[in-house]
Amino acid sequence: AQSVTQLGSHVSVSEGALVLLRCNYSSSVPPYLFWYVQYPNQGLQLLLKYTSAATLVKGINGFEAEFKKSETSFHLTKPSAHMSDAAEYFCAVLKAAGNKLTFGGGTRVLVKP
Amino acid sequence: EAQVTQNPRYLITVTGKKLTVTCSQNMNHEYMSWYRQDPGLGLRQIYYSMNVEVTDKGDVPEGYKVSRKEKRNFPLILESPSPNQTSLYFCASSSGGAGIAETQYFGPGTRLLVL
Repeated sequence: AQSVTQLGSHVSVSEGALVLLRCNYSSSVPPYLFWYVQYPNQGLQLLLKYTSAATLVKGINGFEAEFKKSETSFHLTKPSAHMSDAAEYFCAVLKAAGNKLTFGGGTRVLVKP
Repeated sequence: EAQVTQNPRYLITVTGKKLTVTCSQNMNHEYMSWYRQDPGLGLRQIYYSMNVEVTDKGDVPEGYKVSRKEKRNFPLILESPSPNQTSLYFCASSSGGAGIAETQYFGPGTRLLVL
C-alpha cells in the first residue's frame, strides 16, 4: 500500500527566507509524485509533479522539488518566501491503477513580514 | 475556461435528509473522483470513475453513492447523511487512464455541515 507522510503540520517562515516542506512516501513501485497548493477557500492547484524524468522538478511560483529514491523523499523548496505563499501544501503519490491520489496530511505555511 | 464546478459550495443539513452534490467538468475528461478533506488527514478518496457507467470505491466509500451517466457529470449522493460526514468535499477530473500520470484538476470544494 502506498502512503505519504508530511513532516510538520504547520511551518512558519519569514518573508525572503527559504521554504522547505518535507514529504516522504512509501510505494512498492516507482512512484508518480505531486505537490498541490490550496489557498484559503479554494480548491487544490498543481504546483509540480514527478513522472520519472528529471529528479529535480521545477514548478510554478518559483517552487521546485527533488526526488530522492534512496531517501524515499520528495521535499518541496522555494529559495525566498513571499507573503502570497501562505497556503496549505499537500504532497501526493499516484497509484496508476485506478488513477488514485493518496495525500499526505498537509502542511500549512505562514509567512511573517 | 477549463474548469471543474461543484454545487452547492456550502450546505447545512440535518441527519437523514438525502442530499446530492453535483460536479461537472468541461474538459472532456474520462476520469473523475470525489475526495473529502478533514484536518490532519489530507484528502481521502471516496469514489472514482474511469468512464461513463464505470465507478469504483475509494478509501472511504461508506455512506456515499455516485453515478456516471454522462461524461461531464459525476454527482455525489448522501442518502442518509450523518454528522461524521461533515467535511469539505472536492471533485476532481483528469484525462489519463491507468498508468498515466495525468494532472488531476480540482473543483472549488463543497463545505457540508450535518447537524
